[in-house]
Amino acid sequence: DTGVSQNPRHKITKRGQNVTFRCDPISEHNRLYWYRQTLGQGPEFLTYFQNEAQLEKSRLLSDRFSAERPKGSFSTLEIQRTEQGDSAMYLCASSLGGTDEQFFGPGTRLTVL
Amino acid sequence: AQTVTQSQPEMSVQEAETVTLSCTYDTSESDYYLFWYKQPPSRQMILVIRQEAYKQQNATENRFSVNFQKAAKSFSLKISDSQLGDAAMYFCASQGGSEKLVFGKGTKLTVNP
Repeated sequence: DTGVSQNPRHKITKRGQNVTFRCDPISEHNRLYWYRQTLGQGPEFLTYFQNEAQLEKSRLLSDRFSAERPKGSFSTLEIQRTEQGDSAMYLCASSLGGTDEQFFGPGTRLTVL
Repeated sequence: AQTVTQSQPEMSVQEAETVTLSCTYDTSESDYYLFWYKQPPSRQMILVIRQEAYKQQNATENRFSVNFQKAAKSFSLKISDSQLGDAAMYFCASQGGSEKLVFGKGTKLTVNP
C-alpha cells in the first residue's frame, strides 16, 4: 500500500466557485479524518468518518462545506461558493481507529483568487 | 476543550548536537494521548513519537525522546545527534475524549551543517 493519497495536489479557483477534493485512505483503515492547515498554523480538525458514518464535525465546517464517504472507502470534501478565507492546505488522514496512529496524506493546497 | 501551545516558533541546532522543543497542553480529560508530528518541507506529516498519559515512563524512539511532566502539563521533545534530515516543522498534538487531534502552531527546526 502506498499510503494516503489526495487529489488534486493543488487547486486554484476563483471566489464563488465550487471545488471538490478526494482522499483515498490506506485500504484497511476504517477511520478517515479531514483537517485544514493555514499558513503558520497547525492543522485544525474538520470532520471524521468511521466507515461511511460521519461521527464528528467541527464548528469550522460551515454550511458551505460538505464531506462524504459513501462506501466507506474514499472520501470527498466539497466547498461551495469558495471565499478567499478558504485558501489553505486540506489534509486527509486515516487510521485503524480510536487512538491508533493517524497517517496523513500529502494534502490539497487550495488557492482562492 | 483541549489546547496545545508551542512557544518556540523557530529553533536551530548544529548537526550532531541535541535540541529540545517545548510544548504545553491543557485538557480536562483524564485519559489522553500526546504526539509529536514532523512535517518536512512540501512533504506529508509523519508521526515521530507518542505518549499515553497514563504511562509514567517517557516514550523513546531511537534519537527522539520526550519529557512528559503530567502535573505541569508539559510534553517536550528531545532530538539527539541531530541530522540534516531532521529539519522540518514539528507539531505537538493531543488527543482525548474524541478521536480528533488538536495541534499546536508548530516549531520550525533548522539543522545547521
